[in-house]
Amino acid sequence: GENVEQHPSTLSVQEGDSAVIKCTYSDSASNYFPWYKQELGKRPQLIIDIRSNVGEKKDQRIAVTLNKTAKHFSLHITETQPEDSAVYFCAARAPVIKAAGNKLTFGGGTRVLVKP
Amino acid sequence: DTGVSQDPRHKITKRGQNVTFRCDPISEHNRLYWYRQTLGQGPEFLTYFQNEAQLEKSRLLSDRFSAERPKGSFSTLEIQRTEQGDSAMYLCASSSPGQGARASEAFFGQGTRLTVV
Repeated sequence: GENVEQHPSTLSVQEGDSAVIKCTYSDSASNYFPWYKQELGKRPQLIIDIRSNVGEKKDQRIAVTLNKTAKHFSLHITETQPEDSAVYFCAARAPVIKAAGNKLTFGGGTRVLVKP
Repeated sequence: DTGVSQDPRHKITKRGQNVTFRCDPISEHNRLYWYRQTLGQGPEFLTYFQNEAQLEKSRLLSDRFSAERPKGSFSTLEIQRTEQGDSAMYLCASSSPGQGARASEAFFGQGTRLTVV
């Protein structure tokens, strides 16, 4: 089955600096890669996702890049703010073919702390 | 709130007792998932329903765990003879079919935090 590795496990940045989180996946059939942000005691919330037919996607201060050949994808947060402090999870999902491959496989998470 | 809702939010139970959690997905979503999340880890997949059919179960789902979605709407997750290792956050998520074979994003509930003492 799919295996997703995420690094680093913790990341401390100064407000205004950039933060980069990297994930690798093992199943070359995976074609959907979402990123979730989870604040303490709250539900995971989707912040950005990318499908395998594109290499990069950007939404304001957040961008995701995907390298299908190397099977890795990254989250980039620019101009970090204290409210960006949270745990971030990457995930991968294989194509939805009938009953199989619909679940998300998550990385272990990155705790991001933005210091004012 | 029209998002995914879970009940209860917290549950403390004694080892050996049975517990049942409920998940109400977003109304138009036909896909429903259960995940388990332990402290400091990412969510781990437990099981998946499409409408009322349970289509996939993880090896994590031992025979003490059972999930149902009888009418294709809400779902329940029951844990029998709870063990301390069952202590975790149990998350439910739902998604719509999306276009063609591409399911839409998964929306998560706030979870049920289970503590087995």
